[in-house]
Amino acid sequence: GAVVSQHPSWVICKSGTSVKIECRSLDFQATTMFWYRQFPKQSLMLMATSNEGSKATYEQGVEKDKFLINHASLTLSTLTVTSAHPEDSSFYICSARDGEGVAGNTIYFGEGSWLTVV
Amino acid sequence: GQNIDQPTEMTATEGAIVQINCTYQTSGFNGLFWYQQHAGEAPTFLSYNVLDGLEEKGRFSSFLSRSKGYSYLLLKELQMKDSASYLCASMDSNYQLIWGAGTKLIIKP
Repeated sequence: GAVVSQHPSWVICKSGTSVKIECRSLDFQATTMFWYRQFPKQSLMLMATSNEGSKATYEQGVEKDKFLINHASLTLSTLTVTSAHPEDSSFYICSARDGEGVAGNTIYFGEGSWLTVV
Repeated sequence: GQNIDQPTEMTATEGAIVQINCTYQTSGFNGLFWYQQHAGEAPTFLSYNVLDGLEEKGRFSSFLSRSKGYSYLLLKELQMKDSASYLCASMDSNYQLIWGAGTKLIIKP
């Protein structure tokens, strides 16, 4: 299947700093990318939907000024956690929709990024 | 409203067959996905059904009935490495995935 690469896999940052997570579709163009967070033993929680060239659509309760999403190209979306706090520590996962693939509309996930804010 | 139901946990024996059921109700329908997720890892794509019927892919098969809002994932010749959570998700008319809570599958020797 198609490949989505997410970087970094692990990141530790100090409280108050910002951290950027990248999500790339390696062998397809992703007009739509999704950002999730997941706490241990809990379900995936959709944070925002990102469409190339337009502003991201955030889910209710997700602060758009804190979680900045940029989808500048068809293969790259970034999530920046600004002024991170310990409660932002979580597993962040991106996914990308391959609308042109054989299966059509298949969504593939990146490997995820573990963020720890100390 | 939108809703995905699947069992919380299932147990099966190595070498056996297990079927994980999923029922869904979403605003519009653009397909039904199954993902496997091991603890601490991101989900891995298993299958995508948009038409009624059975799709077979090696040891894993997925079935869809759109009229019944029903899907199942069938795992054959179970191996210990199949112990994981299996996530059912329906894609709505906005191409967003509506997720079930996941089924934790425990494989016993």
